[in-house]
Amino acid sequence: EPEVTQTPSHQVTQMGQEVILRCVPISNHLYFYWYRQILGQKVEFLVSFYNNEISEKSEIFDDQFSVERPDGSNFTLKIRSTKLEDSAMYFCASSLRRDNAYNEQFFGPGTRLTVL
Amino acid sequence: AQSVTQLGSHVSVSEGALVLLRCNYSSSVPPYLFWYVQYPNQGLQLLLKYTSAATLVKGINGFEAEFKKSETSFHLTKPSAHMSDAAEYFCAVSDNTDKLIFGTGTRLQVFP
Repeated sequence: EPEVTQTPSHQVTQMGQEVILRCVPISNHLYFYWYRQILGQKVEFLVSFYNNEISEKSEIFDDQFSVERPDGSNFTLKIRSTKLEDSAMYFCASSLRRDNAYNEQFFGPGTRLTVL
Repeated sequence: AQSVTQLGSHVSVSEGALVLLRCNYSSSVPPYLFWYVQYPNQGLQLLLKYTSAATLVKGINGFEAEFKKSETSFHLTKPSAHMSDAAEYFCAVSDNTDKLIFGTGTRLQVFP
């Protein structure tokens, strides 16, 4: 059964460093998403991506964040200069369509980012 | 703005007992509502969703949820818990745009 994969499962970095979180969406999916969950808090939407462009982004997704689909299979989230408050579990998701009523977002297992 | 509230970060039940996980939503438009489950070291998996058809929605693994507009609730139930149901459960709402808006999750423990 096709699944969304994410690497690494756990990333530890120093404050101010750049990190790239990687995701491989399901191969025929067209819409891609990043969410994050700070420990003990809600899973929060960060950004959606379609046709090599950001479709929607939340207020969390500021200039420190960027997304890219560099090679047609990977979908990456880059944080340019990490802050302590970026420590969270980051989930990637993909879907065939945009419409949540008739569609399903498939989630990866997450990358736990720890910023020291 | 839309939001969901999950009452109880931890719920413990005995095997064979009723499972009830609570979710209340807030939405200014007719909502689409979802329950996701996350097993250890796995991604979030869709259990069921409400999209304005039948108010009682049946999902995988024997779970179901009822949409009650008057109570703004979408509680998840299962008549008889199995050990394999132990996981984290997330309620989510969408207005049919890209994003899902999640609650904080409820960790279900099942005791033998």
